[in-house]
Amino acid sequence: RKEVEQDPGPFNVPEGATVAFNCTYSNSASQSFFWYRQDCRKEPKLLMSVYSSGNEDGRFTAQLNRASQYISLLIRDSKLSDSATYLCVVNRGATNKLIFGTGTLLAVQP
Amino acid sequence: EAGVAQSPRYKIIEKRQSVAFWCNPISGHATLYWYQQILGQGPKLLIQFQNNGVVDDSQLPKDRFSAERLKGVDSTLKIQPAKLEDSAVYLCASSPVKRGSGREYEQYFGPGTRLTVT
Repeated sequence: RKEVEQDPGPFNVPEGATVAFNCTYSNSASQSFFWYRQDCRKEPKLLMSVYSSGNEDGRFTAQLNRASQYISLLIRDSKLSDSATYLCVVNRGATNKLIFGTGTLLAVQP
Repeated sequence: EAGVAQSPRYKIIEKRQSVAFWCNPISGHATLYWYQQILGQGPKLLIQFQNNGVVDDSQLPKDRFSAERLKGVDSTLKIQPAKLEDSAVYLCASSPVKRGSGREYEQYFGPGTRLTVT
């Protein structure tokens, strides 16, 4: 079983739609959680950290459920520029080792 | 602030040849990482340095891959000899060590080197 699992998609949604991505992790010792965004043929960039209480950044909302070992990302009012691969990332411990999921591809259609 | 620099951006070699990649992290970042990203997958950590010491190289195929960061700044990753399955993007990342800032886990990635082994 992979340590971080995501639905690879693709998710094809119209502009303005709300879309949600889910991710599960297997290592209960994981301490920190993130969503990274990766545009086609570009490097990954940090989108947002995920906190137990849930956090929001504009149109993006991230949530963490430690009991279920589940992370989610919600994008409201999708824009064409949101088209990218969204990587669920887990920090395993004190050495700051990041474990990446395979990513979920989002394609926002005009 | 300049980002993480990597070179070359692209490399095509034949199997059994050797290749080297170079990375210059963001100034002042003590931690440097090399990742391998195969098409359709997320990045996989190969090796992590803290200054010039190795923190984690558990997933580095040591029979063919080597990496060094002699002066605690630039780093090189070498593959010798290359195999077809080494075709991937090799990403370098760096992060600061500022405990308590809340951002010590943020890693900044370079543009990567796209390696094709034929």
